[in-house]
Amino acid sequence: SQQGEEDPQALSIQEGENATMNCSYKTSINNLQWYRQNSGRGLVHLILIRSNEREKHSGRLRVTLDTSKKSSSLLITASRAADTASYFCATDRGGSGNTGKLIFGQGTTLQVKP
Amino acid sequence: GAVVSQHPSWVICKSGTSVKIECRSLDFQATTMFWYRQFPKQSLMLMATSNEGSKATYEQGVEKDKFLINHASLTLSTLTVTSAHPEDSSFYICSARDPRQGSGGAFFGQGTRLTVV
Repeated sequence: SQQGEEDPQALSIQEGENATMNCSYKTSINNLQWYRQNSGRGLVHLILIRSNEREKHSGRLRVTLDTSKKSSSLLITASRAADTASYFCATDRGGSGNTGKLIFGQGTTLQVKP
Repeated sequence: GAVVSQHPSWVICKSGTSVKIECRSLDFQATTMFWYRQFPKQSLMLMATSNEGSKATYEQGVEKDKFLINHASLTLSTLTVTSAHPEDSSFYICSARDPRQGSGGAFFGQGTRLTVV
């Protein structure tokens, strides 16, 4: 079963604009992770935010986590055409910590137009 | 950085035959690996957890006799789709965590596109 919802399902923006994707989850978590998938390829880990963190940055990426609302958001600033991909949030299903056993959201397909 | 390699990247097989997919951790040892399945335009669904030296644990609804998993070494897990049928056509992806990276995410293979004709 999927962990939760992501919205929007699809997002199309112009290069240079910011892209925001949201993720909601159902169960308590130790951490929440965001991954990127180029079409027909494997996934690449982008960022991990722990349950006791509220915000985290990595380059042009900013992730927030609201455990009271069981939601997270991924912001990509100053988007580039190369950011075109699908983005998934994931939570760890392991009993504790960071086991790698992931349950994924439905994903957001981002298209950045040059 | 840690890399997970998956082979083959694509395979076409006839209905009724079996297909083996390999997943290797290239520069770290993985006592546990994970196998996912992804249908077009959908998310990843966890199929099973591959445990080195012991039986795999399967998610609800995944047929263990259909999807045979072997994890004979600390760097290799294999998924064999037995007696494949067209409905088994999908994108299969493996992953593993590098235990040396306490706060890092999982590393994924490149995926295998299976088409059963």
